[in-house]
Amino acid sequence: DTEVTQTPKHLVMGMTNKKSLKCEQHMGHRAMYWYKQKAKKPPELMFVYSYEKLSINESVPSRFSPECPNSSLLNLHLHALQPEDSALYLCASSPSAGETQYFGPGTRLLVL
Amino acid sequence: SQQGEEDPQALSIQEGENATMNCSYKTSINNLQWYRQNSGRGLVHLILIRSNEREKHSGRLRVTLDTSKKSSSLLITASRAADTASYFCATGDMLTFGGGTRLMVKP
Repeated sequence: DTEVTQTPKHLVMGMTNKKSLKCEQHMGHRAMYWYKQKAKKPPELMFVYSYEKLSINESVPSRFSPECPNSSLLNLHLHALQPEDSALYLCASSPSAGETQYFGPGTRLLVL
Repeated sequence: SQQGEEDPQALSIQEGENATMNCSYKTSINNLQWYRQNSGRGLVHLILIRSNEREKHSGRLRVTLDTSKKSSSLLITASRAADTASYFCATGDMLTFGGGTRLMVKP
């Protein structure tokens, strides 16, 4: 298995909802990442997990809460989001931090 | 924040022509990577060039790196309609991306 999967593909939520984005890889990678990408902009790093521990949090608001239950799974819990949080959320993994990253197809999020 | 800029922001060419995209960055690097993104979906890794390399080839792709000018270029030869995508350069262990070039290849 050489791919990163993300669910759901699309998500619409209200500002009072709680939802979660999921990311999975079975390549044995020990680093996993969350990125946020607005339309016609490059991806921006949000979080990095290395060996299931949060190693980087790029000053992301607390309404985004990452979780790494095991080495294959990465979640992003969403609560009380704002319309400006609407974006494509990309997950990636790499054998270890700093190596070539492999991206999932993303979850397109719309916050109403 | 973005590491640097990509030039041009958008490029439209005919199938069969070559496409050249440039990337500039600001800080010293160990390597530079190029990624491709189709229609706002996931990114696909194309090629990595290390700071001690000046040129690298992969199929129809040719990447150059000039560390003195802090710049890199990506050349796609004999372009195809399927090459239509956005292309990003990225630097650093945690990938700081350039602004991207939107390439359209017309059949």
